[in-house]
Amino acid sequence: DIQLTQSPSFLSASVGDRVTITCRASQGISSYLAWYQQKPGKAPKLLMYAASTLQSGVPSRFSGSGSGTEFTLTISSLQPEDFATYYCQQLNSYPITFGQGTRLEIK
Amino acid sequence: EVQLLESGGGLVQPGGSLRLSCAASGFTFSNYAMTWVRQAPGKGLEWVSGISDSGGGTYYADSVKGRFTISRDNSKNTLYLQMNRLRAEDTAVYYCANRPKLSGGWPFDYWGQGTLVTVSS
Repeated sequence: DIQLTQSPSFLSASVGDRVTITCRASQGISSYLAWYQQKPGKAPKLLMYAASTLQSGVPSRFSGSGSGTEFTLTISSLQPEDFATYYCQQLNSYPITFGQGTRLEIK
Repeated sequence: EVQLLESGGGLVQPGGSLRLSCAASGFTFSNYAMTWVRQAPGKGLEWVSGISDSGGGTYYADSVKGRFTISRDNSKNTLYLQMNRLRAEDTAVYYCANRPKLSGGWPFDYWGQGTLVTVSS
């Protein structure tokens, strides 16, 4: 199985900050990576797929990059509604796996 | 508007069975692969199972293989998850999601609101 390791697991930041979350895969997954945002008590929301393609309706302050084994999700200027938990997911092979999550909280 | 509505969750004893349903609307159900994802209380996301658009291909996490069965009825726009021999560690909110044929491996686009399954005596 392909393991995904996100860092950091917890991030404290302020409105307006630029933040980056990293996702590392245990083996190469080309660009078969997606990012999700989840708020408490809600279903996850697709933010990014194919590593760097912004899902329709997602603000342009979100961006993704990477291929192979290392990927990043960057939020250029944090807004109050961005404080949530973020998950990466590999879709290269079954079983599909998620990272452990990065909880982004307001400083 | 795309809607996915899960049902069938509840409290069940260890060793028991439940069947979850996911009623889909607002998109052409038969054109989409579908999937189930679960989230144990306070924990992260765990992919459970997936099924192709026709139902001819099914996939399972090792943790549920041999106990859970995914299926779909394209005439009823409904996805199912039959869960047998349930264990305490199956306690979670179960989400269904659709998988549009986008690049990058068909990500999970629209999600339902989830249904809670509690396995306890």
